[in-house]
Amino acid sequence: EPEVTQTPSHQVTQMGQEVILRCVPISNHLYFYWYRQILGQKVEFLVSFYNNEISEKSEIFDDQFSVERPDGSNFTLKIRSTKLEDSAMYFCASSLEHTDTQYFGPGTRLTVL
Amino acid sequence: RKEVEQDPGPFNVPEGATVAFNCTYSNSASQSFFWYRQDCRKEPKLLMSVYSSGNEDGRFTAQLNRASQYISLLIRDSKLSDSATYLCVVNGGDSSASKIIFGSGTRLSIRP
Repeated sequence: EPEVTQTPSHQVTQMGQEVILRCVPISNHLYFYWYRQILGQKVEFLVSFYNNEISEKSEIFDDQFSVERPDGSNFTLKIRSTKLEDSAMYFCASSLEHTDTQYFGPGTRLTVL
Repeated sequence: RKEVEQDPGPFNVPEGATVAFNCTYSNSASQSFFWYRQDCRKEPKLLMSVYSSGNEDGRFTAQLNRASQYISLLIRDSKLSDSATYLCVVNGGDSSASKIIFGSGTRLSIRP
């Protein structure tokens, strides 16, 4: 069964550094998403991406964040100048249509020191 | 009112029991509804989509009441492996259909 993959599984960085989280969505899916989950809290929507542009973003997704689909398979989330409060699990997801089921990757645990 | 609201639990029930979860949502324009389950420190995984006519998948039954903006999940003959957090998920409606909103989840613990 096709699945969403994410790398790395765990990223440790120093405050102020830039990180790039990588995702490979399911190959025939057209919509891509990033979510985050701070430990003990609920899953929060960050951004959705379709046709090489952002279709929606939340108030969390400020100028510190950017997304990119650099080639036909990868989907990345870049966090510039990380802050302590960026520590969380970041999940990538993909779906065939925008109202379809979203399939989640295993997540990247980001720890900012 | 929260966009998606769930009873946080925890629900602690014996194996074999029937347990029901409820969820309410605030956006009447929402079009898609799902139940996901999340195990500790793992990604959310789809349990089932929820349709207006109600749907059943083995021991699991989901219901949607659009008029009351209410979704339910019933688990019959619960197993130890059902222990998880159950997430009610709703899409954002016409103007933000690709955004899905998670409830905070209901924790379920099945005891032997």
